[in-house]
Amino acid sequence: DQQVKQNSPSLSVQEGRISILNCDYTNSMFDYFLWYKKYPAEGPTFLISISSIKDKNEDGRFTVFLNKSAKHLSLHIVPSQPGDSAVYFCAASDLKTGFQKLVFGTGTRLLVSP
Amino acid sequence: GAGVSQSPSNKVTEKGKDVELRCDPISGHTALYWYRQSLGQGLEFLIYFQGNSAPDKSGLPSDRFSAERTGGSVSTLTIQRTQQEDSAVYLCASSLKRGDPGTQYFGPGTRLLVL
Repeated sequence: DQQVKQNSPSLSVQEGRISILNCDYTNSMFDYFLWYKKYPAEGPTFLISISSIKDKNEDGRFTVFLNKSAKHLSLHIVPSQPGDSAVYFCAASDLKTGFQKLVFGTGTRLLVSP
Repeated sequence: GAGVSQSPSNKVTEKGKDVELRCDPISGHTALYWYRQSLGQGLEFLIYFQGNSAPDKSGLPSDRFSAERTGGSVSTLTIQRTQQEDSAVYLCASSLKRGDPGTQYFGPGTRLLVL
């Protein structure tokens, strides 16, 4: 049972354009959401997060939007750069458990071409 | 080193053999997590340590899997009588404190292949 779903395995975008990565979840107990970025042969690195009390969080070129009623979040990268090419994982957790057991999606491979 | 380190980086073993995977967390990080990523899947939570104790082992797939942590630092994940379905990338992460969101730092992983 996949509680966090990333239905697009890959996305190709031109440099300078917007990249939009989507994520859906099924567990209404999730109250914290994160995006991780992963380069080949490296572990995932934390990118940006959002609490369920918010609907938007911005950090430089990265913005995460949360639609709780739709159980959907998205990551916007503007403008996209070739160095953004990586696999992006959406993750969710229930902070009420007192620790951060992350539930991950299957990832979306982003390719930003010059 | 500054980051989480894992060893070995790659491991090939025969079905039925035991393997040990090691994780060195960032110094001072009290929480340690093990995940695995099978081909085409997302990262799957295995076990969590706070200090040397493991309050949540719910993700361990079978009793062939065990983990320990000593001295609040190094952790070892042991897989006994390996099966081909155990083939995956095993990732370790650490964080400074319990329940601190967004600050899990991951190691590069151990790629396990069971023949």
